[in-house]
Amino acid sequence: GENVEQHPSTLSVQEGDSAVIKCTYSDSASNYFPWYKQELGKRPQLIIDIRSNVGEKKDQRIAVTLNKTAKHFSLHITETQPEDSAVYFCAASMDTGRRALTFGSGTRLQVQP
Amino acid sequence: NAGVTQTPKFQVLKTGQSMTLQCAQDMNHEYMSWYRQDPGMGLRLIHYSVGAGITDQGEVPNGYNVSRSTTEDFPLRLLSAAPSQTSVYFCASSSPGKGYTFGSGTRLTVV
Repeated sequence: GENVEQHPSTLSVQEGDSAVIKCTYSDSASNYFPWYKQELGKRPQLIIDIRSNVGEKKDQRIAVTLNKTAKHFSLHITETQPEDSAVYFCAASMDTGRRALTFGSGTRLQVQP
Repeated sequence: NAGVTQTPKFQVLKTGQSMTLQCAQDMNHEYMSWYRQDPGMGLRLIHYSVGAGITDQGEVPNGYNVSRSTTEDFPLRLLSAAPSQTSVYFCASSSPGKGYTFGSGTRLTVV
């Protein structure tokens, strides 16, 4: 089955700096790659997603890039703010077969004011 | 439009007891799935469904049963609770081409 690896496990940045989180996946059939933000005690919230027919997608300060050949995708957060502090999860799924998400292990992002 | 509703929010069980975690969605989503999240860890897939009457196992299905008799509901049954099943359980739903929406979770403690 699909396996998603995520790095780093923790990331500390100064407010205003950029943060990058990287994920790799194993199943070339995966074609949907969402990113979730989870605050303490809350449910995961979708912040951005990308499909395999797109190389990059941007939404204000957040962007995701996908390299299908290398089977890796990354989350980029620019101009970080203290409210960006949370755990971020990458995930992968496909539109056939197991149409459920396989998650990475998460990255705890701490933005220092 | 309530989204994905999970009940109960909190539950304490004794070892060996059984119970059902409820999940309902009102978005007419085809896909539904159950995940467990252990402290400081990611979400692991327990069972999933791609439509009414169709279910399949995820990564960690042992000790859990599911059924999907309607599009809206996807209950998760713990057959004989064990301390190893202490976790936060999330239900999620989606449709083709859309992202998954998560419920608010059920925090289960087995003593």
